Amino acid sequence: GAGVSQTPSNKVTEKGKYVELRCDPISGHTALYWYRQSLGQGPEFLIYFQGTGAADDSGLPNDRFFAVRPEGSVSTLKIQRTERGDSAVYLCASSPDRFYGYTFGSGTRLTVV
Amino acid sequence: DAKTTQPPSMDCAEGRAANLPCNHSTISGNEYVYWYRQIHSQGPQYIIHGLKNNETNEMASLIITEDRKSSTLILPHATLRDTAVYYCIVSGAGSYQLTFGKGTKLSVIP
Repeated sequence: GAGVSQTPSNKVTEKGKYVELRCDPISGHTALYWYRQSLGQGPEFLIYFQGTGAADDSGLPNDRFFAVRPEGSVSTLKIQRTERGDSAVYLCASSPDRFYGYTFGSGTRLTVV
Repeated sequence: DAKTTQPPSMDCAEGRAANLPCNHSTISGNEYVYWYRQIHSQGPQYIIHGLKNNETNEMASLIITEDRKSSTLILPHATLRDTAVYYCIVSGAGSYQLTFGKGTKLSVIP
């Protein structure tokens, strides 16, 4: 497709479980970003990939959060031992390079019960 | 990155111009002004950006004051589909990280 694809669109999980959220960026975009958006707030930066490597993971809240992009295309955000406070919309974006306007996906709404 | 201040909400009549203000009094010389919007249940959408000159594209116009301490996003003929939260963001040329505030919720009224 032409846009950034995120799956699943909704995920409900129990506290303490492990989840994976997938992002398929626009083909050819080398830069990929993850953001998190809580209800009523603007998105908050989590991590930035340039190619396969995480160039900046300073926004990850703690070591339960991890993200990979092994082939420089699809990325997976992984959350271990989920907590109710992790409930949010997780947004992925990509861009041709870091100086260009992002294209965001529609997000994955994660609910931890 | 410089902080921005936007009104929390605005209304605009359908077909009229919507003028969304943003204050960024601490902006530095190499920082750009970006505008994104977020329609309900979607990810943010890039609208326009500028450094110091006014900019126009198919979606909107961006007017930046001469001292660069404030800017206005103009939607020339607002439609119901323009109802969204509009974010004004200031970011350096070499920065990849966008710092979103709470934005302005624009309601276009029939």
